[in-house]
Amino acid sequence: KAGVTQTPRYLIKTRGQQVTLSCSPISGHRSVSWYQQTPGQGLQFLFEYFSETQRNKGNFPGRFSGRQFSNSRSEMNVSTLELGDSALYLCASSPSYEQYFGPGTRLTVT
Amino acid sequence: DAKTTQPNSMESNEEEPVHLPCNHSTISGTDYIHWYRQLPSQGPEYVIHGLTSNVNNRMASLAIAEDRKSSTLILHRATLRDAAVYYCILRDQGGSGNTGKLIFGQGTTLQVKP
Repeated sequence: KAGVTQTPRYLIKTRGQQVTLSCSPISGHRSVSWYQQTPGQGLQFLFEYFSETQRNKGNFPGRFSGRQFSNSRSEMNVSTLELGDSALYLCASSPSYEQYFGPGTRLTVT
Repeated sequence: DAKTTQPNSMESNEEEPVHLPCNHSTISGTDYIHWYRQLPSQGPEYVIHGLTSNVNNRMASLAIAEDRKSSTLILHRATLRDAAVYYCILRDQGGSGNTGKLIFGQGTTLQVKP
C-alpha cells in the first residue's frame, strides 16, 4: 500500500498570505489528523477529521482550518500567515489505534 | 490529558539492548500507552502500544509496570537506524471514542554509538 502523501513538500509564503496544504491518506483509512512541529513547541495536535467531520481540535487560532473530502483526502488552510507559522506540518492517517504519518510539508513564512 | 515524563536523552552502543523509561503517574484506567519514534527528517512512526500486559512486536517490546504508573520500551538490539526521538504517549481509548488526537511531549533522543 502507498503511504501517506503530502503536497507540496516545501512552501515559501509571505506574511499575510494564505496557504493550503494537502494530505492523501492510506487507502481505507478514514481518520486524518494534522500536527504542527516547531523547534520551540515540538509536535502539537491541530485537528482530526473522520468521515468528513471534525472530531477533535487542538488549541490553535481560527486562522487554522481544515476539511476532509468524501475520499478521505484532507486539506488544511492557514489564513493571514504570521512568521510564527513557519513549521513542519504533518498529516497522519489511521485505521484504528495507530497513526501513520506522512513526510510533512515544510512551510516557511517570510 | 495525562502527562508523561521521559529523560531528555540516552546513549546506547550498537547491538546492545536499550531500555527507554516513561513515567505516567496520573494515567487513567482507559489510557493506552503508545510509543512513537521520529527519525531525522521523517514523520513520526508508530512503534508499539499496550494497556496492562507486556507487549511484543517485530520492532520492540513494551514492559508495563503492575500499577501502570510507568513503562519501558525495550529495543532488543540497537542499530544505528534506531537513533531517533522516542515519544511515550497516553491515549484515551475509552468512552470518548477512538480519536486520533496524540499529545506529544519532548521525548527521549536516543543516540546509538557504533
